[in-house]
Amino acid sequence: KAGVTQTPRYLIKTRGQQVTLSCSPISGHRSVSWYQQTPGQGLQFLFEYFSETQRNKGNFPGRFSGRQFSNSRSEMNVSTLELGDSALYLCASSLVSMKNTEAFFGQGTRLTVV
Amino acid sequence: AQSVTQLGSHVSVSEGALVLLRCNYSSSVPPYLFWYVQYPNQGLQLLLKYTTGATLVKGINGFEAEFKKSETSFHLTKPSAHMSDAAEYFCAVIYGSSNTGKLIFGQGTTLQVKP
Repeated sequence: KAGVTQTPRYLIKTRGQQVTLSCSPISGHRSVSWYQQTPGQGLQFLFEYFSETQRNKGNFPGRFSGRQFSNSRSEMNVSTLELGDSALYLCASSLVSMKNTEAFFGQGTRLTVV
Repeated sequence: AQSVTQLGSHVSVSEGALVLLRCNYSSSVPPYLFWYVQYPNQGLQLLLKYTTGATLVKGINGFEAEFKKSETSFHLTKPSAHMSDAAEYFCAVIYGSSNTGKLIFGQGTTLQVKP
């Protein structure tokens, strides 16, 4: 079966712009989580969605937002981009919760802010 | 604050040698524990996880980890390293009893395997 698909794979944006990243989970998976990976801060949890509702949120500023659609696809948006937002953004999907069922990660979207 | 610590950002072993990657968590309540591997330009792949039950957990690719509550540790081992094991390894935990997908990751350990 198809894995978790993140689009685009690479993105270059200018400071002050906004960006939208997309994540298509494995068919049947209802939980989608987002993580930011940087060399300095490592892997940090952004938010988790389940059945179109945000179930959990990490410690990121309000410029970071997300949503989930009825087909479980999820998007995350970053507004007013800063240089420090340059990172690999990873999405993970699981049936209900990665606590109880295996989570599968996408290959990520590499965002570069210049 | 709830955290997870991986001792050693870089570990180098010879092919065929024992692999030991260390992970300690900070909680008096045993969390759910995970080990993930990441190859260059890839996402994360689950190696193994501990929820409840047997404290020795076997995973994929010959890896295993032992949950030791008294030491708040969950070290990852493999008896014999292979060149293909070279990658970055992350220990992660989920705290709390609620149904959540919030993984807290360690800083990662890069494993180098020398021929």
